[in-house]
Amino acid sequence: GENVEQHPSTLSVQEGDSAVIKCTYSDSASNYFPWYKQELGKGPQLIIDIRSNVGEKKDQRIAVTLNKTAKHFSLHITETQPEDSAVYFCAASSPGGGNKLTFGTGTQLKVEL
Amino acid sequence: ETGVTQTPRHLVMGMTNKKSLKCEQHLGHNAMYWYKQSAKKPLELMFVYNFKEQTENNSVPSRFSPECPNSSHLFLHLHTLQPEDSALYLCASSQDRGYNEQFFGPGTRLTVL
Repeated sequence: GENVEQHPSTLSVQEGDSAVIKCTYSDSASNYFPWYKQELGKGPQLIIDIRSNVGEKKDQRIAVTLNKTAKHFSLHITETQPEDSAVYFCAASSPGGGNKLTFGTGTQLKVEL
Repeated sequence: ETGVTQTPRHLVMGMTNKKSLKCEQHLGHNAMYWYKQSAKKPLELMFVYNFKEQTENNSVPSRFSPECPNSSHLFLHLHTLQPEDSALYLCASSQDRGYNEQFFGPGTRLTVL
């Protein structure tokens, strides 16, 4: 089955700096890669996703890149703000998986003033 | 709010108790999911329902019993749980089982004494 590894487990940045979170996956058939943000006391919320026919996707300060050959994908947050502080999860899904997502272990991002 | 509600938000139970978790989605979705979230571990998919039919049981012990009476409601019946079952239980829904965004509820924090 699919295995997703996520690094780092914790990340501390200064407000205004960029943050990068990296994930690798094992199943070369995986073709859908969402990123979720989980704030304290809330469930995860989708912030951006990418499909395997696209190498990069951007939404304002958030971008995701995908390298299918290396089987890794990354989340980039620019101009970080205190409200970006949360736990971020990557996930992967393969065809025929019926939207069965395999999640990474999460990254606790702290944006310091 | 994501359109997915869960009750109760917190639950403490003894190992001999029987309790139920409830999830309701107001999004008109057809697929619903139960996940278990434990500290330092990835989200674990437990069950998937599509159009009220169970399509996935991820080797979950029988002390967890799901029920989906209609596409809007999902229950998780608990009995004779173990302390290691203490975790955050998340419910999610999506339009269907394709590669669509999963909307998560806030979760039920379960403590088994």
